[in-house]
Amino acid sequence: EDQVTQSPEALRLQEGESSSLNCSYTVSGLRGLFWYRQDPGKGPEFLFTLYSAGEEKEKERLKATLTKKESFLHITAPKPEDSATYLCAVPNLNQAGTALIFGKGTTLSVSS
Amino acid sequence: DTEVTQTPKHLVMGMTNKKSLKCEQHMGHRAMYWYKQKAKKPPELMFVYSYEKLSINESVPSRFSPECPNSSLLNLHLHALQPEDSALYLCASSHPLNEQFFGPGTRLTVL
Repeated sequence: EDQVTQSPEALRLQEGESSSLNCSYTVSGLRGLFWYRQDPGKGPEFLFTLYSAGEEKEKERLKATLTKKESFLHITAPKPEDSATYLCAVPNLNQAGTALIFGKGTTLSVSS
Repeated sequence: DTEVTQTPKHLVMGMTNKKSLKCEQHMGHRAMYWYKQKAKKPPELMFVYSYEKLSINESVPSRFSPECPNSSLLNLHLHALQPEDSALYLCASSHPLNEQFFGPGTRLTVL
């Protein structure tokens, strides 16, 4: 069964303290891995798509990387405004790839 | 433009009411989705429309009725809901197999 697992469930950082979030996946065939940011009570905001092992994408303080088994979201020198829940997801190829399999998310809290 | 809009932002309804949620996108996406999200949980897929045809119904109770009038619009008709249906309802759109773009959601409370 295709599965996405995120760790840790929650992460507390001081402003400026860099860290990484993990998303491990077991899928029959990877057709992209997506990272989203979600603020409380709002819809997920698309961040990155990664398609192949070794690929990296960057946006401001965030960098996403992909291996054959997992993806990392690296946060460099985070600020309080980076506090949010970060979700990763992969297409469910058993449903023609149209549905997403989400991890449970990592809730990041950054304090000043 | 990567915007998906949803109305209303908030909705409070009784168990005997009939209401509708609306979603619109102008990105030319031919796949549109409804998700339900409970607090501290990831979004849970309800329905998928592909080229205006219902392609996936995740065993959702019949008190939820989706409609796709055209390639830009998606509705979710609600009737005789239960308090446990209170949640954030999210609409999304995408090109098939590509990243999905989500709307801001409708916060639904059923009394």
